Amino acid sequence: GDSVTQMEGPVTLSEEAFLTINCTYTATGYPSLFWYVQYPGEGLQLLLKATKADDKGSNKGFEATYRKETTSFHLEKGSVQVSDSAVYFCALRDPGNQFYFGTGTSLTVIP
Amino acid sequence: GAVVSQHPSRVICKSGTSVKIECRSLDFQATTMFWYRQFPKKSLMLMATSNEGSKATYEQGVEKDKFLINHASLTLSTLTVTSAHPEDSSFYICSARSGEGGNQPQHFGDGTRLSIL
Repeated sequence: GDSVTQMEGPVTLSEEAFLTINCTYTATGYPSLFWYVQYPGEGLQLLLKATKADDKGSNKGFEATYRKETTSFHLEKGSVQVSDSAVYFCALRDPGNQFYFGTGTSLTVIP
Repeated sequence: GAVVSQHPSRVICKSGTSVKIECRSLDFQATTMFWYRQFPKKSLMLMATSNEGSKATYEQGVEKDKFLINHASLTLSTLTVTSAHPEDSSFYICSARSGEGGNQPQHFGDGTRLSIL
């Protein structure tokens, strides 16, 4: 079945450092890919998405490119801020509209 | 690895029926469980957060009496949609986390597709 694997955390970075959180997926069809963010004490919020191969999703300085050849959707940000501290979830949605989530990667950014 | 079992995966029932959805953590103790709802062509919406042994915390706009959440044990949370109507048709998904804080991994169920006729 479909699944998502993302790098384990926790990740701790200094402010203005470069961030990469790896995400790979397994899917039988043509899924849409998502990154969700969960700030402390809150639920999931959609961060960005890509619906087909080679699409790049971007929001708030974060980017991820849908790579069909490597079945990946890595999340990147060039310069993280303290306010980016959160848990990040990679997810896919199959053509039947079912979601599959990774287990989350906790990011802490220190001043 | 840790698994969250959500049951049933699909429900079709008549308007006015109450439907219970179960979310079980199979190999870890889930101190916190989250319930989400996905509206058509939209992202997930957090409905409520439940901690074992205490009342669920509902998000603004979610009717507590409509969507009853019980988290009576460290391995089971239930969502009951009371007197369901067609507008309640949606995809509901739970997630579970052990311990406190965001460092703990969160595991998701496979979701329940609810269709009210």
